[in-house]
Amino acid sequence: ILNVEQSPQSLHVQEGDSTNFTCSFPSSNFYALHWYRWETAKSPEALFVMTLNGDEKKKGRISATLNTKEGYSYLYIKGSQPEDSATYLCAFMGNRDDKIIFGKGTRLHILP
Amino acid sequence: ETGVTQTPRHLVMGMTNKKSLKCEQHLGHNAMYWYKQSAKKPLELMFVYNFKEQTENNSVPSRFSPECPNSSHLFLHLHTLQPEDSALYLCASSQSPSGRAYEQYFGPGTRLTVT
Repeated sequence: ILNVEQSPQSLHVQEGDSTNFTCSFPSSNFYALHWYRWETAKSPEALFVMTLNGDEKKKGRISATLNTKEGYSYLYIKGSQPEDSATYLCAFMGNRDDKIIFGKGTRLHILP
Repeated sequence: ETGVTQTPRHLVMGMTNKKSLKCEQHLGHNAMYWYKQSAKKPLELMFVYNFKEQTENNSVPSRFSPECPNSSHLFLHLHTLQPEDSALYLCASSQSPSGRAYEQYFGPGTRLTVT
């Protein structure tokens, strides 16, 4: 059974601090790894799509890295702001016959 | 606004009812998806359509019946549902062919309650 694990489940961070969290996924039959941000009462919004081992992507204060050989990705947020409060989801995309598998997410709370 | 709309936003139905969920995307995408989000569970992929053809059905019970008349519209027909089918149903779209290397754009979801 393919599994995608995200840790921690929940995180409280002081405004202005930096933080990071992890997505672990199967290291075989890898095709792509997606990160989404899901704010309450809104739709999930794509942050990054990563396909190559060693990929690093950045969007403003948010960045992500990818290690396909060991099966993990990190998401970093620098200088957290209140608008960063959301659930961050990662999704493993396997080769054609494999499922698209989402993790349960990391719920991030930014404390003023 | 993500360019993906879903109706209705909320639906309460009895176990003997028949209802349909509708999804429409205005992004020119050719792949569309149905997901189910149950409490304390991750998003679960239900169906995938590429160019109107169903390419994935992840062991979804037959009481859920998808329909994709064109690349812009996706329906989920519901009949004789069970209370455990109560969940948030999300629609998404992406560029094709496989969609896996392209980001997905999600609709706001339909909150379904089965009584």
